[in-house]
Amino acid sequence: DGGITQSPKYLFRKEGQNVTLSCEQNLNHDAMYWYRQDPGQGLRLIYYSQIVNDFQKGDIAEGYSVSREKKESFPLTVTSAQKNPTAFYLCASSYEGTDTQYFGPGTRLTVL
Amino acid sequence: AQSVTQPDIHITVSEGASLELRCNYSYGATPYLFWYVQSPGQGLQLLLKYFSGDTLVQGIKGFEAEFKRSQSSFNLRKPSVHWSDAAEYFCAVQYRGYNKLIFGAGTRLAVHP
Repeated sequence: DGGITQSPKYLFRKEGQNVTLSCEQNLNHDAMYWYRQDPGQGLRLIYYSQIVNDFQKGDIAEGYSVSREKKESFPLTVTSAQKNPTAFYLCASSYEGTDTQYFGPGTRLTVL
Repeated sequence: AQSVTQPDIHITVSEGASLELRCNYSYGATPYLFWYVQSPGQGLQLLLKYFSGDTLVQGIKGFEAEFKRSQSSFNLRKPSVHWSDAAEYFCAVQYRGYNKLIFGAGTRLAVHP
């Protein structure tokens, strides 16, 4: 079954801790994205990657970091520098950067 | 700045009634246009998209959308709503040559039996 998986579904973090959210796709897509969703707002782009070993900042990259060592994987680290990390995080992928984006099921991060 | 406006935050319709969700985008160039649907706690599912050609686009679950260049609009419609259509709907645009999807704030649809 082809698709995008995100883990974990729910994540709890203490203040001051870094956490890593997983995103994996088996669609053979080149481009991958991370979005943040807050209640009453649309999605905002954190980082994106068009190809392995390359990534670019989106609109709200401060306090986040990513890596793209494999085509299938694009993990997002939420660092302690992120002031308000509690949100719903969505990963997406597309064949290339300007193609239709397909989304994973999301990870809800709560800072305690 | 490029932006997408969904004027209706919440809409309530009766089951079986028709539905129209509004979407307007800024900026002059014609973008790629998308509608996504999100059930609570879930990811986004693509309903339909417009890249070029026929301005009336058919999607999944009986939805359609019409691109009107003169109004910079891409409204989503369904002739008869089902209770399972209750969800949040997002309009998004992508300008040619750019990776970024720009989302509206979403419209939450409630369906009364």
